[in-house]
Amino acid sequence: QQQVKQSPQSLIVQKGGISIINCAYENTAFDYFPWYQQFPGKGPALLIAIRPDVSEKKEGRFTISFNKSAKQFSLHIMDSQPGDSATYFCAASIGGAQKLVFGQGTRLTINP
Amino acid sequence: NAGVTQTPKFQVLKTGQSMTLQCAQDMNHNSMYWYRQDPGMGLRLIYYSASEGTTDKGEVPNGYNVSRLNKREFSLRLESAAPSQTSVYFCASKGLAGDEQYFGPGTRLTVT
Repeated sequence: QQQVKQSPQSLIVQKGGISIINCAYENTAFDYFPWYQQFPGKGPALLIAIRPDVSEKKEGRFTISFNKSAKQFSLHIMDSQPGDSATYFCAASIGGAQKLVFGQGTRLTINP
Repeated sequence: NAGVTQTPKFQVLKTGQSMTLQCAQDMNHNSMYWYRQDPGMGLRLIYYSASEGTTDKGEVPNGYNVSRLNKREFSLRLESAAPSQTSVYFCASKGLAGDEQYFGPGTRLTVT
């Protein structure tokens, strides 16, 4: 049973465009929602995270939008750059980041 | 600061062989984790250790054992490898303050 569903599996965006990756969760007890970025041959690294007391969090070109009633959250990458080409994972957990449940991942390619 | 280190980087095993994956962190973190990453499945938690001397099962613990040797080191053992355990294995750690999990570079394991 996949508790966190991520879409799309792959995404191609032109340089300068907006990349949008979506996640949906089932467990309403989740209270921490991070996004991880992974480059080929490397381990994932935390990109940005949100808790359900806010509907949006922005860090530079990266924004998380959170919809508690719909049980959905999304990552928006503004002004996408070739260096953003990577695999992105959403995740969720209860009571902080102790036991993360990950989505399936999205392979993002930014064309120059 | 090396962060989280994993050995070996690559390993090929025959069905039925055993091996131990090693993980160490130099950030004085309390919590450590083992994940496996498979195409289209995201990362799945195998075991974790919230503090030295404690371990707990994650989402996919069958076929694995772990040892929290001390605060720095957390090993994952496959007693009798199976082809279904072919995967990339990641170790991660997290401190008491903050929610970020820091990942190692991974071990790519193939079981033939």
